[in-house]
Amino acid sequence: QQPVQSPQAVILREGEDAVINCSSSKALYSVHWYRQKHGEAPVFLMILLKGGEQKGHEKISASFNEKKQQSSLYLTASQLSYSGTYFCGTEIPNSGYALNFGKGTSLLVTP
Amino acid sequence: NAGVTQTPKFRILKIGQSMTLQCTQDMNHNYMYWYRQDPGMGLKLIYYSVGAGITDKGEVPNGYNVSRSTTEDFPLRLELAAPSQTSVYFCASSPPGAAHEQYFGPGTRLTVT
Repeated sequence: QQPVQSPQAVILREGEDAVINCSSSKALYSVHWYRQKHGEAPVFLMILLKGGEQKGHEKISASFNEKKQQSSLYLTASQLSYSGTYFCGTEIPNSGYALNFGKGTSLLVTP
Repeated sequence: NAGVTQTPKFRILKIGQSMTLQCTQDMNHNYMYWYRQDPGMGLKLIYYSVGAGITDKGEVPNGYNVSRSTTEDFPLRLELAAPSQTSVYFCASSPPGAAHEQYFGPGTRLTVT
């Protein structure tokens, strides 16, 4: 089942902070985050694992609440380069660790 | 090291035509995937493969076929193209096992008219 992301869109001024949320109706073992710029491929940001381990981007942080089946991506002191669409993904069982992606959150950072 | 490459970048097909979308990776990854992306809908899994000779259906496999004769190549075949297959197609690969990032190709934008 597709994870649900909120908000759908965010507009920020450079230097402001944003939080993007991802929730699932099923138990989560990991949550993946990707960013996609217009006309380009998704690019990996980070993976959050059950138990608290994180792998990924140094300048972006995230949390993973296993009990609530939720993850949040924290973008602090946003830069123009942060603009794009952010997707969370959860692993599809028995599918070679393929991902079920949310519909995405569009982030626009303005000067 | 080119990563994941896809060809063609763009294609227009007429209804009923067939074509093959090519995907190649040079990272020796066992796992490969095909996703399609429709506006505002995220990415949907079409097919996946866990190694040469092993493929399986994803969430939206109807109208598509795949093969995996080598570790490097994972072509996606569209038979009898329909307007509903108008989409952007992404191929991705990852090392085996859980909790690995997926490396995406640049995508193929397909229009069926």
